[in-house]
Amino acid sequence: NAGVTQTPKFRVLKTGQSMTLLCAQDMNHEYMYWYRQDPGMGLRLIHYSVGEGTTAKGEVPDGYNVSRLKKQNFLLGLESAAPSQTSVYFCASRPTSNTQYFGPGTRLTVL
Amino acid sequence: AQTVTQSQPEMSVQEAETVTLSCTYDTSESDYYLFWYKQPPSRQMILVIRQEAYKQQNATENRFSVNFQKAAKSFSLKISDSQLGDAAMYFCASLYGGATNKLIFGTGTLLAVQP
Repeated sequence: NAGVTQTPKFRVLKTGQSMTLLCAQDMNHEYMYWYRQDPGMGLRLIHYSVGEGTTAKGEVPDGYNVSRLKKQNFLLGLESAAPSQTSVYFCASRPTSNTQYFGPGTRLTVL
Repeated sequence: AQTVTQSQPEMSVQEAETVTLSCTYDTSESDYYLFWYKQPPSRQMILVIRQEAYKQQNATENRFSVNFQKAAKSFSLKISDSQLGDAAMYFCASLYGGATNKLIFGTGTLLAVQP
């Protein structure tokens, strides 16, 4: 049981490039979330999903897209990366209880 | 709007002593949950303790306990017998959104433990 995993752990992009971050969970959780963490701030919700095939916007969704084609995977896409998207990205999932379980994070730098 | 405020950017404690981290929140929800997460240098977000708002009793997990003051919207974390491994960033978070279960985080308190 690996819990919540994120791929990749680190990535450097140039402005305008695109990429996809993968979150996978093997706990059969319905709900999944993407957050970003910036210096001096707590985590902020980008997008979330309440089940396979569904997605919804969080607090800071602009510049990101997500997909939840399979229950165990939640993908976060950046179509045209900007320096303002330099951040650490966390994925989380939860079962029917109210506790979210977090992945190890992905550090993204956009030059 | 839901807000969570941590007014102590940094705290320091001597090993084996007790420290209290402060958190206040604001929510319009009648049923909510509060959490403390620990983030060590590894960046992993680790759940420390959770409190259901409908419960009067303060949550306790080993050396970690909370002082939940619902009327004052205060949710402080007490760490007893501090250990070097407790050094980390601590985030207070409030759950909102009903079934969608969205967390609002405070800005964190960086705890240093002095040997």
